[in-house]
Amino acid sequence: GAGVSQTPSNKVTEKGKYVELRCDPISGHTALYWYRQSLGQGPEFLIYFQGTGAADDSGLPNDRFFAVRPEGSVSTLKIQRTERGDSAVYLCASSLRGISTDTQYFGPGTRLTVL
Amino acid sequence: SQKIEQNSEALNIQEGKTATLTCNYTNYSPAYLQWYRQDPGRGPVFLLLIRENEKEKRKERLKVTFDTTLKQSLFHITASQPADSATYLCALHTGRRALTFGSGTRLQVQP
Repeated sequence: GAGVSQTPSNKVTEKGKYVELRCDPISGHTALYWYRQSLGQGPEFLIYFQGTGAADDSGLPNDRFFAVRPEGSVSTLKIQRTERGDSAVYLCASSLRGISTDTQYFGPGTRLTVL
Repeated sequence: SQKIEQNSEALNIQEGKTATLTCNYTNYSPAYLQWYRQDPGRGPVFLLLIRENEKEKRKERLKVTFDTTLKQSLFHITASQPADSATYLCALHTGRRALTFGSGTRLQVQP
């Protein structure tokens, strides 16, 4: 594909429900990142994958958040027992090798609203 | 605590003028600093990366400076156009592969 894609573009759920957000990175990119962006703020790091493994999950706010990338391509961010404070835009990015000078290419994001 | 600060107030300028945005950081010693552009409803788009040993970097109408003593980066857009209106984010690598972003400054260029 031409760029990073994310589905769904919008997700509305009720407090306490489980949600899954999907990211399709650029083909061939080994590194994948999840960020969360609240209104008026910059993106905030959640988790970084190098290949299939989570190389850094220090940004996950608590154990309700989990992400996988089983085949080193598509990734799914999973949020259990959603809370109203989880409402935000969830951004995914990918880069070719995951080194510091690599450009990170962002998807359009999934807007999550927890009622 | 570690901070990246960008002016949270919107910057309004007239078309054709130079826009200057500021990024200040504390308690970091980043090897690289990046600037991104973000339009409403879209993800950030990479613009420029500057290394700690580079004082200045240019790309078309964009210029970035990086002063590691002042812990500050300035981002300039010369001959600004209404199409330059967007939010501009600075970002650092703070000891891990993922980026740490500032909150961004919204630029509005008036025709």
